[in-house]
Amino acid sequence: AQSVAQPEDQVNVAEGNPLTVKCTYSVSGNPYLFWYVQYPNRGLQFLLKYITGDNLVKGSYGFEAEFNKSQTSFHLKKPSALVSDSALYFCAVRDTDSSASKIIFGSGTRLSIRP
Amino acid sequence: NAGVMQNPRHLVRRRGQEARLRCSPVKGHSHVYWYRQLPEEGLKFMVYLQKENIIDESGMPKERFSAEFPKEGPSILRIQQVVRGDSAAYFCASSPGEATQYFGPGTRLLVL
Repeated sequence: AQSVAQPEDQVNVAEGNPLTVKCTYSVSGNPYLFWYVQYPNRGLQFLLKYITGDNLVKGSYGFEAEFNKSQTSFHLKKPSALVSDSALYFCAVRDTDSSASKIIFGSGTRLSIRP
Repeated sequence: NAGVMQNPRHLVRRRGQEARLRCSPVKGHSHVYWYRQLPEEGLKFMVYLQKENIIDESGMPKERFSAEFPKEGPSILRIQQVVRGDSAAYFCASSPGEATQYFGPGTRLLVL
């Protein structure tokens, strides 16, 4: 069975500093991996995805994520945080060996950027 | 291009009433997914539908909940005889069959 874990409920970073939001996954086959962001009272917005190819994936708003197969991780990163990055971030995984298209979401990490 | 549309955005029901949530996917998308989010929690998968078919309903409660995605018109998530525990945000997502899902703004259901 596929699963995804976000070990940190909250991450606090000062504006201008680099940020990392952690994600690890478990699938039986090859993973499709995603990051989504949710602002208050809004739906989820797609940030980036890893399907195949380069392990470093660049996405919206200056975010990037690195796929690490040996560590089964897909951490979200940004070199310089902005206050406007404060939101709830979800990692998600789909097992490509599965015939269904169900995507499993992590529990979310609340990112707080202080001025 | 219109994204995923959901209506109503807010819905208030009294215990025992029916709640009907609508989702119009991105034009051309034939895959629809419903998720539930409780306050300060992540998204829980409920059901995955393609046109006129339920593909995976493993996350749907066995009673009172049903979903459909007819050949014409929006996808409907129906909750009969609502209880206070049904209060949550319900999100719909659609995809064209590839991996990425695009989410609607959600319907916030409050059961009094």
